[in-house]
Amino acid sequence: AQTVTQSQPEMSVQEAETVTLSCTYDTSENNYYLFWYKQPPSRQMILVIRQEAYKQQNATENRFSVNFQKAAKSFSLKISDSQLGDTAMYFCAFMKPLGPGTYKYIFGTGTRLKVLA
Amino acid sequence: NAGVTQTPKFQVLKTGQSMTLQCAQDMNHEYMSWYRQDPGMGLRLIHYSVGAGITDQGEVPNGYNVSRSTTEDFPLRLLSAAPSQTSVYFCASTLNNEQFFGPGTRLTVL
Repeated sequence: AQTVTQSQPEMSVQEAETVTLSCTYDTSENNYYLFWYKQPPSRQMILVIRQEAYKQQNATENRFSVNFQKAAKSFSLKISDSQLGDTAMYFCAFMKPLGPGTYKYIFGTGTRLKVLA
Repeated sequence: NAGVTQTPKFQVLKTGQSMTLQCAQDMNHEYMSWYRQDPGMGLRLIHYSVGAGITDQGEVPNGYNVSRSTTEDFPLRLLSAAPSQTSVYFCASTLNNEQFFGPGTRLTVL
């Protein structure tokens, strides 16, 4: 069975600094996707970044980038130039397509990030 | 598009009461799912549906029922609420490997 582990329950970073959130997963599958979601105090789940396992190149979205190490089953999120609005809970998620229009998602337990002014 | 909508945003129930959490999406997505979010446990899948008329159990289905009579709507029913069902509930729809979440319902069972 697939598992997703986020070993850092809480982290803090100074505004404008860089922070890395860790995520490891366990799977025997070869075709899967990985995601980072942001959940601010508003509770809304917001997709930050996604990575297809078959792509070797690390995904990047503005200040957010990932370090995808497929062999090590590691998927860390780097936030550069941290902003106060980045304060949120961050969830790592694994997704495996099960067939046409069917998916299996596994979420980590989350990392609460606080950006300090 | 309104995306995924959920009602109500907040609800307080007494033990033993029943209620339905509403979820609707206007993106014509076939796959929809319900999660519960508890502190320190991430999101856990309750039930999911791959299309109208088809539903199946997820990781934590006990105490919950679902139905899918239309593509748009996927309500979640609590038949007899228990304090252990105090949680935040999210509905989501998925297309092309991307999941879209509703705003969530915070449910408290006293």
